[in-house]
Amino acid sequence: SQKIEQNSEALNIQEGKTATLTCNYTNYSPAYLQWYRQDPGRGPVFLLLIRENEKEKRKERLKVTFDTTLKQSLFHITASQPADSATYLCALLTSGTYKYIFGTGTRLKVLA
Amino acid sequence: DAGVIQSPRHEVTEMGQEVTLRCKPISGHNSLFWYRQTMMRGLELLIYFNNNVPIDDSGMPEDRFSAKMPNASFSTLKIQPSEPRDSAVYFCASSLSSENYGYTFGSGTRLTVV
Repeated sequence: SQKIEQNSEALNIQEGKTATLTCNYTNYSPAYLQWYRQDPGRGPVFLLLIRENEKEKRKERLKVTFDTTLKQSLFHITASQPADSATYLCALLTSGTYKYIFGTGTRLKVLA
Repeated sequence: DAGVIQSPRHEVTEMGQEVTLRCKPISGHNSLFWYRQTMMRGLELLIYFNNNVPIDDSGMPEDRFSAKMPNASFSTLKIQPSEPRDSAVYFCASSLSSENYGYTFGSGTRLTVV
């Protein structure tokens, strides 16, 4: 069956370090992959999109990689700050479909 | 733009009552999605509209759920009758009709059915 896996355990890191979050998938052939940030009591906020033919995408302190061989995307936040503390969700869209399917998210806590 | 606007923010209702959740998408967005989020199941897509037409409602749990989009600026999700297991946060999201665009989510409606 199709599955999107994100680490359900919270990730705690020290301020200034690079946070790396993982999104693994099985039985999918995603053409597009997105990352969202969600704060408590709020809706998810779109951060980045990467296509299957792109290896890496950057936006300010954020970097996303997409490895279709490993069936994995990595999401990096460099020089992390306490304000980066939130839950981060990945979402996949398969070519020929129109709807993104979301992972359950990983909670990140950046310690001052 | 004020973003995607959902109302109410919180709803507490008794089992068996009808509940109506409302959504105003971003002007110019022609795709609208209703999602439900729970701790156990994460974000689940309930229904997808494109140009006000329901395209896929396969995620709607059962006949107690219905959704409408009478025009480009308004959508409703109705639960009748409501049950305790419907308790969740319901999100509306809108987007341009292309996989190249991210979704803009509203702040959600937290529904509690007692």
